[in-house]
Amino acid sequence: DIQMTQSPSSLSASVGDRVTITCQASQDISNYLNWYQQKPGKAPKLLISDASNLETGVPSRFSGSGSGTDFTFTISSLQPEDIATYYCQQYDNLPFTFGPGTKVDIK
Amino acid sequence: EVQLVESGGGLVQPGGSLRLSCAASGFTFSSYAMSWVRQAPGKGLDWVSGISGSGGSTKYADSVKGRFTISRDNSKNTLYLQMNSLRAEDTAVYYCAKDNLIAVAGTLHYWGQGTLVTVSS
Repeated sequence: DIQMTQSPSSLSASVGDRVTITCQASQDISNYLNWYQQKPGKAPKLLISDASNLETGVPSRFSGSGSGTDFTFTISSLQPEDIATYYCQQYDNLPFTFGPGTKVDIK
Repeated sequence: EVQLVESGGGLVQPGGSLRLSCAASGFTFSSYAMSWVRQAPGKGLDWVSGISGSGGSTKYADSVKGRFTISRDNSKNTLYLQMNSLRAEDTAVYYCAKDNLIAVAGTLHYWGQGTLVTVSS
């Protein structure tokens, strides 16, 4: 199975700050990488597919980049409503696997 | 509007069985693969199983292979997960999710709100 790692596991930032999360795959997954946001008590929501494709309706402050084994997720200006846990997920190989998550909160 | 509504969760003893359902609406159900993803309390996301739009292709995580069976009834727009030989480690919220292709591809665009399965004596 492809192992996904994320760092940091949690972070605290101020409103307006730039936030960056990294995700690493245990082998080359090309750009077969998604990012999901999960707010407390809610289902996950797809934000970015194919490593960098912003889903319809998702604010442009969210972005993703990378290919191969190393990926980055960025919130350009953190907003209070962005408090959530963010997961990367590879879909290059079955079983689909998720990173352990990065919990983001407001300082 | 896409809607996915899970049901069937509850408390079951170790070794027991449970069948989850996911009622879908707002899209052509048979045109899309579906998956089940679970989340143990306070833990991360864990893909469990997927099924193609026709139902002819099914995929499983090793942890549930031989114990869980995914199926769908396209005439009823409903996805199922039959769970047998349940273990304590199967305790989780189970989400159904809509894929973006007719084959099991892994980009899960829409998710239900989940149903809690608790395996305990």
